[in-house]
Amino acid sequence: DIQMTQSPSSLSASVGDRVTITCQASQDISNYLNWYQQKPGKAPKLLIYDASNLETGVPSRFSGSGSGTDFTFTISSLQPEDIATYYCQQYDNLPPLFTFGPGTKVDIK
Amino acid sequence: EVQLVQSGAEVKKPGESLKISCKGSGYSFTSYWIGWVRQMPGKGLEWMGIIYPGDSDTRYSPSFQGQVTISADKSISTAYLQWSSLKASDTAMYYCARGGTLLWFGDDWFDPWGQGTLVTVSS
Repeated sequence: DIQMTQSPSSLSASVGDRVTITCQASQDISNYLNWYQQKPGKAPKLLIYDASNLETGVPSRFSGSGSGTDFTFTISSLQPEDIATYYCQQYDNLPPLFTFGPGTKVDIK
Repeated sequence: EVQLVQSGAEVKKPGESLKISCKGSGYSFTSYWIGWVRQMPGKGLEWMGIIYPGDSDTRYSPSFQGQVTISADKSISTAYLQWSSLKASDTAMYYCARGGTLLWFGDDWFDPWGQGTLVTVSS
């Protein structure tokens, strides 16, 4: 099975800061990596699919990059409404298996 | 608007059975996979399984195989997650989420998600 790691597990930043989260896969997953945002008490929401594609309606301050085993999620200018936990997710086909990273909790300093 | 609406919170005793639901609307329910995801209190997201309502093809995470049953009734655009004998460790929030039209790379994200069903198992 493919293992996913995320770092950091939590971070605290100021409004307007650039925030970067990394996700690493235990083997090459091409660009098949998705990112979700989960605000406290809410369901997760898809932000980025296929590593770098912004879901419709998602603010452009969110972006993703990477391929292979190393991926990056960036918030270019942190806003108060971005307080949430962010998860990466990948899919493996043999057998079908969806795996989420452990999550990164983002707070305002 | 594509929407998944889940059934309400449940409080059960250990050993009881339970079936929670997820009703889809705003799209062709039979053409997209529906996944179930567990989130234990204060913890991360765990994929449990996925079903294709068109033909009820179902796949389970090895961690949940034999522990739960996923089903769907396409006539009422509803997917289900059920337990035959609940344990205290089943206490969690359960989300359904729409997958892709294929179970394949590049069609492998979940969007949108239901609002979640909180299941509490306590004696």
